Amino acid sequence: GAVVSQHPSRVICKSGTSVKIECRSLDFQATTMFWYRQFPKKSLMLMATSNEGSKATYEQGVEKDKFLINHASLTLSTLTVTSAHPEDSSFYICSARTDRGAGNEQFFGPGTRLTVL
Amino acid sequence: GQNIDQPTEMTATEGAIVQINCTYQTSGFNGLFWYQQHAGEAPTFLSYNVLDGLEEKGRFSSFLSRSKGYSYLLLKELQMKDSASYLCHPIMDSNYQLIWGAGTKLIIKP
Repeated sequence: GAVVSQHPSRVICKSGTSVKIECRSLDFQATTMFWYRQFPKKSLMLMATSNEGSKATYEQGVEKDKFLINHASLTLSTLTVTSAHPEDSSFYICSARTDRGAGNEQFFGPGTRLTVL
Repeated sequence: GQNIDQPTEMTATEGAIVQINCTYQTSGFNGLFWYQQHAGEAPTFLSYNVLDGLEEKGRFSSFLSRSKGYSYLLLKELQMKDSASYLCHPIMDSNYQLIWGAGTKLIIKP
């Protein structure tokens, strides 16, 4: 099956610093990648949809200037949490959509656990 | 509307069968996914239904009724490792806007 990786898997940072999370599709090209956030015991919340070569589409309530998304290639999207604060601590998950198979399948990265001190 | 209804929690016995229901109210329906998510991990894809009927994949089956806005995930021969949250995920319209249910936490008991 298609593999999506995320790096880092876990990051601890100080308040006020920026953190970059990478999402890569390893064996397929993903024209669309999605970024989610998950709070403990809560459902996944879509943050933004990232299309290669164009600006990301952010969901209502998600700050574009705080969560910078770059989808520079068909295999890489990055999420940068700028000026992180403790309330940004969360589990961030990316997924990539492939045109193979069902045509709408998403494959998820393993997630990145961000802790802001 | 985009309301998704799943039971919050279900309990079943190892070796038994369990059915997790999901109802949704979406316009421009374009398919429905089921995902499994173990605590602390990212979701993993289980099934995708776009046509009415039952899709079987080993111990897991998924059913869809588009006219009723209803789907279920059927898990057979339950194993302890099936203890997880199961997320119902309908996709609406060509923009593939993504809507997630809160998931059903399934607890398997010996």
